[in-house]
Amino acid sequence: EPEVTQTPSHQVTQMGQEVILRCVPISNHLYFYWYRQILGQKVEFLVSFYNNEISEKSEIFDDQFSVERPDGSNFTLKIRSTKLEDSAMYFCARTGDMNTEAFFGQGTRLTVV
Amino acid sequence: GENVEQHPSTLSVQEGDSAVIKCTYSDSASNYFPWYKQELGKRPQLIIDIRSNVGEKKDQRIAVTLNKTAKHFSLHITETQPEDSAVYFCAASIMTNAGKSTFGDGTTLTVKP
Repeated sequence: EPEVTQTPSHQVTQMGQEVILRCVPISNHLYFYWYRQILGQKVEFLVSFYNNEISEKSEIFDDQFSVERPDGSNFTLKIRSTKLEDSAMYFCARTGDMNTEAFFGQGTRLTVV
Repeated sequence: GENVEQHPSTLSVQEGDSAVIKCTYSDSASNYFPWYKQELGKRPQLIIDIRSNVGEKKDQRIAVTLNKTAKHFSLHITETQPEDSAVYFCAASIMTNAGKSTFGDGTTLTVKP
């Protein structure tokens, strides 16, 4: 059973559109992460989020991306104006505290057409 | 930043044989090394991890070794079975921020019955 639930499982969007990917923790986790995996490639870190703030982000996480926890529960990744190269699997992950491994959600497959 | 290299990119073994996947890392500050198994279309799942205060860890048919001096770590799978077929990723991180990992490129393991 996944430690976090992601919705939707698959999202198809037109280039230039905004998308919001959601991550719902099952219990009260503190640390969240978003990763991206382009088809057939490695898993890449995007951003870490702690205490309702971004704690670290990668070079991939440019101004097109944003994260928030709007209602204290769901954790969202927004891509403002999608590009073809944003097509990938996006995984939300959590750790219980800083010293434990990351557990990944099932992922959202984003297809930009 | 951290750079993780993983070899080989593909590995094919006969059922019952052993499989070895090797990784190197560049940042001497990294002290936590998880290994993930990813089946097609699924999320990465942690199968074993090792922290820098130990040189080896074993869990049934899976073992990991770590050489901090050489910045090498390896995954060993013995008595391979067809269900071991998957993509395996090594990763490196700092234990106080274990959710943020740098992944290797992955190894596609095929176990032939």
